Amino acid sequence: NAGVTQTPKFRVLKTGQSMTLLCAQDMNHEYMYWYRQDPGMGLRLIHYSVGEGTTAKGEVPDGYNVSRLKKQNFLLGLESAAPSQTSVYFCASSAPFRAGELFFGEGSRLTVL
Amino acid sequence: AQRVTQPEKLLSVFKGAPVELKCNYSYSGSPELFWYVQYSRQRLQLLLRHISRESIKGFTADLNKGETSFHLKKPFAQEEDSAMYYCALGPFSGGYNKLIFGAGTRLAVHP
Repeated sequence: NAGVTQTPKFRVLKTGQSMTLLCAQDMNHEYMYWYRQDPGMGLRLIHYSVGEGTTAKGEVPDGYNVSRLKKQNFLLGLESAAPSQTSVYFCASSAPFRAGELFFGEGSRLTVL
Repeated sequence: AQRVTQPEKLLSVFKGAPVELKCNYSYSGSPELFWYVQYSRQRLQLLLRHISRESIKGFTADLNKGETSFHLKKPFAQEEDSAMYYCALGPFSGGYNKLIFGAGTRLAVHP
């Protein structure tokens, strides 16, 4: 049972390039989330999804887009990467009304030069 | 504004010493609070939640609404407790776990 899987785990981009982070979960969870983690700032919610075909903005959505075409997948896209998007990105999933219980992926470290 | 503050970036103790990881929150409603832990080379995982009033791996945390705190405590630290600890507030509505995390405290337990 893999749980939540993120790909790629590491990526280096140049300013202006685009890329997509893929998150896949095999727990049949309805809810999925993308967080970013920066030094001294904890995890901040970028976007989240409460079901297939739905997405919503979190705390820091600017510069990112997401899609949830399949229940098990949640994609995070950067259309034009900026150095401020250098971060560690975490995907998580949860079941409805399991208060506070997020299942996290291993993280994806993105560096934008 | 909803906010979680963990004032210590690093807490360094010796094995067998008591541990208290501080967490303060700001929220006007009725809070739900959680502690998450990330051991070296492992994923971030839920440690405990205030509503369960449970003790996990010897850790407990009591919600103090008067002081808006949810400190994590353990009477005798073990080396295997060394990890990053995050306090989180949420989920606010609809069952979605839109947690707000603190910046985290690194606990280092020395032999």
